[in-house]
Amino acid sequence: DSGVTQTPKHLITATGQRVTLRCSPRSGDLSVYWYQQSLDQGLQFLIQYYNGEERAKGNILERFSAQQFPDLHSELNLSSLELGDSALYFCASSALDSYSYEQYFGPGTRLTVT
Amino acid sequence: AQSVAQPEDQVNVAEGNPLTVKCTYSVSGNPYLFWYVQYPNRGLQFLLKYITGDNLVKGSYGFEAEFNKSQTSFHLKKPSALVSDSALYFCAVREALMDSNYQLIWGAGTKLIIKP
Repeated sequence: DSGVTQTPKHLITATGQRVTLRCSPRSGDLSVYWYQQSLDQGLQFLIQYYNGEERAKGNILERFSAQQFPDLHSELNLSSLELGDSALYFCASSALDSYSYEQYFGPGTRLTVT
Repeated sequence: AQSVAQPEDQVNVAEGNPLTVKCTYSVSGNPYLFWYVQYPNRGLQFLLKYITGDNLVKGSYGFEAEFNKSQTSFHLKKPSALVSDSALYFCAVREALMDSNYQLIWGAGTKLIIKP
């Protein structure tokens, strides 16, 4: 168990809808990262937050947004969902804002868009 | 742009034999390199990293990796494979973004199958 929790585990929704994925980092970790894992695109970095502020943006679509709250949990919002958004979404956390530190991954949320 | 290549989609090894999972990278500047493992229906787990120092890095579960600057490689190795090592292995490299921040660039993953 990495100490990172993600809810829900599974999510099935229809095209055009909006969903929110939730992540709680390991106790004491200030950085949260969001990733998308799909069969055709592999593992893609979406966005990073550090202590409540956006730190880095990767291949995140404009339909997607995230935030990190004062208690350090994070939410990833996906809107106007398309079939191609079906994927595993992982949250990871690390102690500080540096890639010298390893990331701890949650179990993921499997999103299915029908 | 930085990139990571894992040239083998799948590696098959008999239990007890040594294993190697290959990774090559392209990066400007000093590379920060990582190996992670993903077991079925689980998130990724950190195995080891190279930031600086000794080219041979030791990590979790008996794995090690050798950083080779001239060959731009960071192959993952284990002297004696276990059936429980069967999983998906990812190599990653840190990439600098335009705003002075960083992200990890991930390889496509290599499925390691250890046969009893």
